[in-house]
Amino acid sequence: QVQLVESGGGVVQPGKSLRLSCAGSGFTFSSYGMHWVRQAPGKGLEWVAVITYNAVTKYYGDSVKGRFTISRDNDKNTLYLQMNSLTAEDTAVYYCAKDRQLLSVLDHWGQGTLVTVSS
Amino acid sequence: DIQMTQSPSSVSASVGDRVTITCRASQGIRSWLAWYQQKPGKPPKLLIYEASNLQSGVPSRFSGSGSGTDFTLTISSLQPEDVATYFCQQAGSFPFTFGPGTKLHVK
Repeated sequence: QVQLVESGGGVVQPGKSLRLSCAGSGFTFSSYGMHWVRQAPGKGLEWVAVITYNAVTKYYGDSVKGRFTISRDNDKNTLYLQMNSLTAEDTAVYYCAKDRQLLSVLDHWGQGTLVTVSS
Repeated sequence: DIQMTQSPSSVSASVGDRVTITCRASQGIRSWLAWYQQKPGKPPKLLIYEASNLQSGVPSRFSGSGSGTDFTLTISSLQPEDVATYFCQQAGSFPFTFGPGTKLHVK
């Protein structure tokens, strides 16, 4: 069965950087696009970024464009999110999710990793 | 960016009731709409994709309809385990966007 396990969350100071990872298993990782979505405490879902199966194309949400970078290593079945210049507004649970097909919907989600930006 | 709205923001219904949640996109997205269910402390779960297609393993009491800008999620007979927040998501253009959510309570 599809499993997605995020890691790398924690407490970080404003202005600093953090890299999240997401290990995929139970499916052919290299054949699917992958997404990051975040959810601030008590709030709704915010789509963050997507990367195609071959890493050729990436799209970002407006609030993270220029600060966050999505990447992947298909040899390691791992998705990454490099987050720079973090602010308190980036505090959230970050989920990685597998794309169903054609960069459309997110059909399997990880349990999430909490990022807290605080001094 | 495409803005998504949902109504109602919360709804309370009895077991066995028919429940309808609506989602509206600020511009046409054809059928590129998905519905997710999120229970407290859990990640979202895909229910419906491409507006009306039931994701594998999802009970048949869930259904979706609509195209263009107006969409509906219907639960034909509410069950206690359906207590959750429901989100719509547009996949018509990047950046993808989610609706603000509808919190469903059981009376």
